[in-house]
Amino acid sequence: KAGVTQTPRYLIKTRGQQVTLSCSPISGHRSVSWYQQTPGQGLQFLFEYFSETQRNKGNFPGRFSGRQFSNSRSEMNVSTLELGDSALYLCASSFQGQPNQPQHFGDGTRLSIL
Amino acid sequence: AQSVSQHNHHVILSEAASLELGCNYSYGGTVNLFWYVQYPGQHLQLLLKYFSGDPLVKGIKGFEAEFIKSKFSFNLRKPSVQWSDTAEYFCAVNGFGSGNTGKLIFGQGTTLQVKP
Repeated sequence: KAGVTQTPRYLIKTRGQQVTLSCSPISGHRSVSWYQQTPGQGLQFLFEYFSETQRNKGNFPGRFSGRQFSNSRSEMNVSTLELGDSALYLCASSFQGQPNQPQHFGDGTRLSIL
Repeated sequence: AQSVSQHNHHVILSEAASLELGCNYSYGGTVNLFWYVQYPGQHLQLLLKYFSGDPLVKGIKGFEAEFIKSKFSFNLRKPSVQWSDTAEYFCAVNGFGSGNTGKLIFGQGTTLQVKP
């Protein structure tokens, strides 16, 4: 069974640009969550999608948005990029996003802002 | 505020030494508890989880953790570490009144370095 796939693996952008990251969950998984990982703040929850609906959202500005498609694939968009957005962005999937279901993580997309 | 705290940021051990990594969370309601591990260059992997029942849970690679509700703790243990256990370890909690979702709150992580 293929794991969670994130593309691209690496991105370099400049301030003010926007970026879209993609995540394909494990087959059959309907919940997709996104996390930001930085050395200073650790792993922080961005948002969770289930059945194409955002079900939960973390404390990030509106520049961070996402969506989920009918095949459960998800995209995350960051607009007006800032230097502080440099981070590893992780996607995780679970069967139905129930609290007692483990999240399965992808390798992440490393975003660097110049 | 809902939070997860890992006491040790960087631990250095020799092979065969025993390991205990501390994890505390700040919420009195029902929680689900996880330990994840991130080996160098690899993605986060689930080590073990606790939902209910026996508070002593066993995971992969000889790891175990004990849930102590009165102390809001979920400490990770391994009797004898190996060089291959060198990795970053994250405690994570789901619950905190977040409803029926998969949202995880992570601790800051502990980097474990095992010397051969």
